[in-house]
Amino acid sequence: GAGVSQSPSNKVTEKGKDVELRCDPISGHTALYWYRQSLGQGLEFLIYFQGNSAPDKSGLPSDRFSAERTGGSVSTLTIQRTQQEDSAVYLCASIKGGFGTEAFFGQGTRLTVV
Amino acid sequence: KQEVTQIPAALSVPEGENLVLNCSFTDSAIYNLQWFRQDPGKGLTSLLLIQSSQREQTSGRLNASLDKSSGRSTLYIAASQPGDSATYLCAVPYYNQGGKLIFGQGTELSVKP
Repeated sequence: GAGVSQSPSNKVTEKGKDVELRCDPISGHTALYWYRQSLGQGLEFLIYFQGNSAPDKSGLPSDRFSAERTGGSVSTLTIQRTQQEDSAVYLCASIKGGFGTEAFFGQGTRLTVV
Repeated sequence: KQEVTQIPAALSVPEGENLVLNCSFTDSAIYNLQWFRQDPGKGLTSLLLIQSSQREQTSGRLNASLDKSSGRSTLYIAASQPGDSATYLCAVPYYNQGGKLIFGQGTELSVKP
C-alpha cells in the first residue's frame, strides 16, 4: 500500500468493553511500532515488533493490553476491559529495514472510552 | 538512558521569517535522528532522516543538521509560511530501551500571516 493504514480511524466504546485496533504496515516493512498519545501529551511507547516478535513488552501500560503481529505484516493491539484513561490516539509506525531506519506513521486510531 | 529534549516548547513567528528548532539528546551513540511534523488530530509525517554519519540533510525549505558530539540537532525552516504551522518532533532510535524511538516533547510552531 501507499502508506501505513490504521483502522478504525475512530472508535467510541463503553467502559469495560474490549477493543481491537489494527495496523497494516507498508508492504515489505519488517518492523513495526505502537505508540499512544493522550490529549495534549507526548508520545508514549507501547511495543516494538521486529518481524513477528516483540523483544520488549514492558511498555504496555497494563496486562489489559496485548499486541500481536502475524505473517510479518498486520498487527493488532487489543485492550481488554477498557477504562477511561485508555482514551487516546493510538499510532502505528512501520520501518523498512528494522531498527534504526526511517519510520513512517499511520494516521492513528482515536479511541474514546465513555 | 537516552533522553530527548526540544526547545522551545512553542514558537510564534510572522510569515516569511527563517527559524530554527532545537533538539538535544543525552547519549551521543545514535544511529540516526528523524524529524517529524504533526498536524492537530493527525498522525506523524516524516520530514527528514539524518544518519549518524551525516552532518546535514535538506528537503526543500527544510534543513536538518546533526552534531553527535554535542548531542544536538537543529531543524531550519526557511521563509516560513502559515502552512508550516504544526508541532515538530525529533526522535532517535535507542536499542538499549527495547528498540523504541525516543521522542522529544515537540515544538508547537505557529506562523502568522
